[in-house]
Amino acid sequence: DSGVTQTPKHLITATGQRVTLRCSPRSGDLSVYWYQQSLDQGLQFLIQYYNGEERAKGNILERFSAQQFPDLHSELNLSSLELGDSALYFCASSVGWERATDTQYFGPGTRLTVL
Amino acid sequence: AQSVAQPEDQVNVAEGNPLTVKCTYSVSGNPYLFWYVQYPNRGLQFLLKYITGDNLVKGSYGFEAEFNKSQTSFHLKKPSALVSDSALYFCAVKGSARQLTFGSGTQLTVLP
Repeated sequence: DSGVTQTPKHLITATGQRVTLRCSPRSGDLSVYWYQQSLDQGLQFLIQYYNGEERAKGNILERFSAQQFPDLHSELNLSSLELGDSALYFCASSVGWERATDTQYFGPGTRLTVL
Repeated sequence: AQSVAQPEDQVNVAEGNPLTVKCTYSVSGNPYLFWYVQYPNRGLQFLLKYITGDNLVKGSYGFEAEFNKSQTSFHLKKPSALVSDSALYFCAVKGSARQLTFGSGTQLTVLP
């Protein structure tokens, strides 16, 4: 158990809908990262927050957004869902964001199925 | 841009034999290298990392990895494979950019 929690474990929804994925980082970690894992794209970095502020953006679609709250939990919002958004979404956390040596610890993931 | 290559999609090894999962990287600046393992329907678990110093890094569950700067490689190794080691293994790199870039993964199957 990494100490990173994600809810829900599974989410099934229809095209065009909007969903919210939630992540709580390990105790003491200030950085939260979101990743998407799909069969064709592999593991893709989406976005990173540090202590409530966005620090880096990866391959995140405009239909997707995220935020980190004062208690450091984070939410990833996915809207106007398409079939191709079906994937595993992982959250990871680390102590900081500037040190390249920091290790990211991953949560168990949320499996999103768009029908 | 930084990148990671895992040239083998699948590696099969007999239980008790040594295993190697290959990884090569490309990065600007000093490389910081990581190995993660993913079991079915689970998140990624951190195995080990190379930051600096000794080229042989020891990690969890008896795994180790050898950093080779001239060959830009960071191969994962274990002297004696277990059936329970069967999983998907990811190599990842950080360079001057602070983001992790993952390889495509290697499915390791240890045969009893």
